Amino acid sequence: GEDVEQSLFLSVREGDSSVINCTYTDSSSTYLYWYKQEPGAGLQLLTYIFSNMDMKQDQRLTVLLNKKDKHLSLRIADTQTGDSAIYFCAEILKGSQGNLIFGKGTKLSVKP
Amino acid sequence: DAGVIQSPRHEVTEMGQEVTLRCKPISGHDYLFWYRQTMMRGLELLIYFNNNVPIDDSGMPEDRFSAKMPNASFSTLKIQPSEPRDSAVYFCASSGFNYGYTFGSGTRLTVV
Repeated sequence: GEDVEQSLFLSVREGDSSVINCTYTDSSSTYLYWYKQEPGAGLQLLTYIFSNMDMKQDQRLTVLLNKKDKHLSLRIADTQTGDSAIYFCAEILKGSQGNLIFGKGTKLSVKP
Repeated sequence: DAGVIQSPRHEVTEMGQEVTLRCKPISGHDYLFWYRQTMMRGLELLIYFNNNVPIDDSGMPEDRFSAKMPNASFSTLKIQPSEPRDSAVYFCASSGFNYGYTFGSGTRLTVV
């Protein structure tokens, strides 16, 4: 199958770290992505990781990839209220001609 | 670069009317995607194009939906006749290198 699964909700306190998890099913995925959607806006590409990498860090964001378990996570350090949004995990399948498979999104709520 | 431009931002129409949504992709991107987002069903891929050619339209819900891409800088999604269950936010996205999508801000369609 081509399902990308995420938990639907996550609530954290401001200043804490947030970890959003995702599992995917296709081991041939070449790139994996994290998108952020703020209320009333489109999806914004946050970061991506190539399948031959284990980790990628970009300022407050850390992406971890466990290919054996087909598990992707996004860690947001020092979470701020502005990080409140829906976060989508997505994979691109080898040979899929650019068609991204999206998860249903995790709604992150940051409490002050 | 102005990003992916969609118009209109909001559309309210009566059931039975024709609706046309418009999209201008990022110059140089050779993939264009149309998505629909609702609370109930999440993000659904409707159709995508590669080099102006429709590749997969299996997500188009019914014959009432049609999409065209007459050139590399313009695409339309048409619904005729529209129904209340078509109410959703419709996103256009384009992609190029490494397949990272850039989304437009969306068109919020309300059919009454």
